[in-house]
Formats: sequence, structure tokens, C-alpha cells
Amino acid sequence: GAGVSQSPSNKVTEKGKDVELRCDPISGHTALYWYRQSLGQGLEFLIYFQGNSAPDKSGLPSDRFSAERTGGSVSTLTIQRTQQEDSAVYLCASSREGDGNTEAFFGQGTRLTVV
Amino acid sequence: AQTVTQSQPEMSVQEAETVTLSCTYDTSENNYYLFWYKQPPSRQMILVIRQEAYKQQNATENRFSVNFQKAAKSFSLKISDSQLGDTAMYFCAFMKHPASGTYKYIFGTGTRLKVLA
Repeated sequence: GAGVSQSPSNKVTEKGKDVELRCDPISGHTALYWYRQSLGQGLEFLIYFQGNSAPDKSGLPSDRFSAERTGGSVSTLTIQRTQQEDSAVYLCASSREGDGNTEAFFGQGTRLTVV
Repeated sequence: AQTVTQSQPEMSVQEAETVTLSCTYDTSENNYYLFWYKQPPSRQMILVIRQEAYKQQNATENRFSVNFQKAAKSFSLKISDSQLGDTAMYFCAFMKHPASGTYKYIFGTGTRLKVLA
């Protein structure tokens, strides 16, 4: 497809289980972001990948959260031992260069509900 | 640390009227970018307009324009001739020009805009 694709669209999981969220960026985009959007809150930065550089993981809230980007394309955000406070919409975005001159395109997000 | 404040959680406007959404930010940086993103019920964020801080001229995109006041650290969005399709959550965002590393978006908490028929 032409846009950023995220899967699944919705995920309900039991507390304590691990989940994987997937992001397919636009082909050729070197930069990829993950953000978390909690109810009534803005978007919270989680992690940033740019080309072959080491990712900026400064936004990951705990060591239960990790992300990887394989081959500079698809990215997976993994949350281990999920907690109820992890419930949120997880948004992925990609951009051609990863700077302010190029537009970031967002996916439709994964709504994660931890019960 | 940079912060972005949107003080209007919800607003409404009559179709065809004009509405202004407020945004202020706090930074010690001189070079940065400012953005307005729209998030309709589909959840997909869409770029509305972008402003580079070194440009004094206010950005415009069709019915959307900004009032960028760098000294006041204010970046408001004006929507003219409001349409029903403008109903969405609007997020103001800041991105600094890093010496190295991450071009990170910092978002406000959003303003929910409803356009009334």
C-alpha cells in the first residue's frame, strides 16, 4: 500500500501477557517513529529509528518495552508482561528523511486494551 | 525541556465560520519547526500545516493559516470557511533542530474541534 500500515488495528490482551505491534512504513522512508496516545493525553514519544543509526530509545517508559526495525523497513514494538496502564493507542509514523523538512506520515494506530 | 500547551480542550464552530485554535510552546532553541496535525475519528494523523521558525512569514495552506509569534512563543491555527470535514482533534507539535540525533516531535494534548451544520 501507499501509506503506513499498522497491525493489528485492535488488540485485547490479558494482564501479564506479551504483545507485538507491527508497523510497515512507506517504502524508502529512512525514519520511523513510535508514539503512544493515552485517553485525553497528547502523543508521547517512545522510540525513533533513522537509517542505520542507533535508535533513540529515550521515550520507552520501562524495560518491558522494546522495539526493533529489521532491514530498515518493518518495525515491531514489543510490550512484555502487559499492565493495565499500557492500554492506549500506539501510533507509528515514517518520513523520508526524519527531519522537519519532510512530512511524517502516520498509520491508523493499534488500540491496545489490557484487561 | 520543550513543552507544548493547548489550552482549549474543546471548541465548536458553525459551518462556514472562522475558528482559531491556540498553541503556546516553551523552548530555549532558536531553530525549530512547528506543526499542526489533524486526527479525525479514523485515528490517522494528517499534517495540516508546517512553519519553520526562521521564516517570519506565516504559513498558509488553502483555508488554513497560522499566526506565528516567535517572541511570544505562540503558534495559533486559523481555519476559515469551516467545513463539516474539519471536525477532528487538532494537535500542535514542536520539533527542534538537534545538533545531532533525533528530530523528535513534541505534541500538545490536542483541541477537539466540532463543526456544526
